[in-house]
Amino acid sequence: EVHLVESGGGLVQPGGSLRLSCAASGFIVSGNYMSWVRQAPGKGLEWVSTIYSGGDTYYADSVKGRFTISRDNSKNTLYLQMNSLRPEDTAVYYCARGVFGGTFGYWGQGTLVTVSS
Amino acid sequence: EIVMTQSPATLSMSPGERVTLSCRASQSVSTNLAWYQQKPGQAPRLLIYGASTRATGIPARFSGSGSGTEFTLTISSLQSEDFAVYYCQQYQNWPYSFGQGTKLEIK
Repeated sequence: EVHLVESGGGLVQPGGSLRLSCAASGFIVSGNYMSWVRQAPGKGLEWVSTIYSGGDTYYADSVKGRFTISRDNSKNTLYLQMNSLRPEDTAVYYCARGVFGGTFGYWGQGTLVTVSS
Repeated sequence: EIVMTQSPATLSMSPGERVTLSCRASQSVSTNLAWYQQKPGQAPRLLIYGASTRATGIPARFSGSGSGTEFTLTISSLQSEDFAVYYCQQYQNWPYSFGQGTKLEIK
């Protein structure tokens, strides 16, 4: 059974950094395309970043140059390194496994990131 | 960037009714269109991909149609568990983008 568990969220000051983790079970992270999708409080969904099995990465313009997606094959875990955080980055961050092209078929429960002084 | 626009923002319906949600893309996405359902406090759930193919385990009362720039999600007979927010998403081009959502509420 596919299972995704995010961690690493919390309260951080503007300009600070956080690293989110997404521990996967039931499948191999490195063999799939994996993504981060976020949702600001009371708002809609926003795609953040994707890493393909071959290692290619993609970022939303809003996070490009500040966020880095990566994975640790030995731990079967996906990461999102977030630097230079801004209040507008406040959101629940979901990791998702891609299925059927560019869709998000499996989701974690999300981890809340709050950027505030 | 492809902008996805959903309408209406809110729909008030009764159980048993048939409902159609709309999604429009600012440029053609072919059939690279997905629909998701999200209930309060939960992660989204994939319903439809390829504009019209139901994901695993999705009831037959959910159906999708459309291609190019105009898409619809139809629920043939609303069940109590269907009241939620629905999002469309294009995966034709980077950056992938979602619509702003349609909230389906009980009348």
